[in-house]
Amino acid sequence: NAGVMQNPRHLVRRRGQEARLRCSPMKGHSHVYWYRQLPEEGLKFMVYLQKENIIDESGMPKERFSAEFPKEGPSILRIQQVVRGDSAAYFCASSPGAGATEAFFGQGTRLTVV
Amino acid sequence: AQSVTQLDSQVPVFEEAPVELRCNYSSSVSVYLFWYVQYPNQGLQLLLKYLSGSTLVESINGFEAEFNKSQTSFHLRKPSVHISDTAEYFCAVSAVNTGNQFYFGTGTSLTVIP
Repeated sequence: NAGVMQNPRHLVRRRGQEARLRCSPMKGHSHVYWYRQLPEEGLKFMVYLQKENIIDESGMPKERFSAEFPKEGPSILRIQQVVRGDSAAYFCASSPGAGATEAFFGQGTRLTVV
Repeated sequence: AQSVTQLDSQVPVFEEAPVELRCNYSSSVSVYLFWYVQYPNQGLQLLLKYLSGSTLVESINGFEAEFNKSQTSFHLRKPSVHISDTAEYFCAVSAVNTGNQFYFGTGTSLTVIP
């Protein structure tokens, strides 16, 4: 049973380009969480999704950021028109759902905006 | 909603000395509590968790944490640290039975000094 898979591991984008980060949850998991980690700032919650639904996006910036978790395929975190301040490590976690007693993390995608 | 406070952002400690990483939480409902560890350039791994029963929980590498309901704390301790324990440690909480959202603290960077 593969763990949470994130790709790419490293992503370099020029300012103004779009970044697409992918997350495949563990088999059988229907809940996905995205977090952003900035140096010296810890782990910040961004968005929580179930299949085809956004449950909580209170941590997501209102502009340029979007997330989806379609019925088929991985969850996608999309950042449009990236800026230098978007450079960070983005982590995805998954859980089986209601009453989950653990969240499993991927290795992260390190986004660098140049 | 729940929240987590990790009071110490950085903790330096000499090798073979004891260490305590502090975690306090806030919640109006019963919670599950977690400690995750992040080694450099890696994702988060579960270190230990409290779900129910004995308030003292242990990890396989010598860490332990004690759930204190009256003080709403879940401090992490190790009697003798190793160089390999150098990492970022995150405390997290989720609500029992509706544990669909995991709330993380901002992390504590533990540096073990030879």
